[in-house]
Amino acid sequence: QVQLQESGPGLVKPSETLSLTCTVSGDSISPQYWSWIRQPAGKGLEWIGRIYPSGSTNYNPSLKSRVIMSVDKSRKQFFQFSLKLSSVTAADTAVYYCARGGYSWNYWGQGILVNVSS
Amino acid sequence: QSALTQPASVSGSPGQSITISCTGTTSDVGGYDYVSWYQQHPGKAPKLMIYDVSNRPSGVSNRFSGSKSGNTASLTISGLQAEDEGDYYCSSYTSTSTPVVFGGGTKLTVL
Repeated sequence: QVQLQESGPGLVKPSETLSLTCTVSGDSISPQYWSWIRQPAGKGLEWIGRIYPSGSTNYNPSLKSRVIMSVDKSRKQFFQFSLKLSSVTAADTAVYYCARGGYSWNYWGQGILVNVSS
Repeated sequence: QSALTQPASVSGSPGQSITISCTGTTSDVGGYDYVSWYQQHPGKAPKLMIYDVSNRPSGVSNRFSGSKSGNTASLTISGLQAEDEGDYYCSSYTSTSTPVVFGGGTKLTVL
């Protein structure tokens, strides 16, 4: 059973960098994309970007200048992929999801609420 | 403003069928058979219900079906049940600057 779990700070100060990690268990880092998607409270889903195990990435153009994704394949039992979003503002406050897939997502993490506030 | 257009809300009575539309362009919905649908309950992560226009993942009820005509994709739920109430989102592969776009979401109310 594939499981994804987001982790990271729930509170980030404006202008700082939001850093989240997604830990994947029950699945090998098979050749498929891994994505980050976010959802502001009461609003719709926004695709942030995706990463392939090779390290190849695609980002939402609206966030591209502030986003970096990476993957850690060093562990055998599980692997992790990460999201860094720099220069955050209140508009970046949202629930952040990690998910398996590139353009459709069949496994999702439970989501992590990140508040941007001083 | 979302790239794909969905109705803000739909409703139906138990046992009835409803259809949610998702309208895009030839650069996304109309150009590729990569439309997906997600169900989301309050406080929960989205759940994949349909992928590649009309395919159901294992474990998803056959009451859910997907189709596409031109630039509009549709999700049909037959035999509506109370547990179907929630938000539904469509997404599509796109040939524009971002490979994926979402619809704005549709709130389904079971009367």
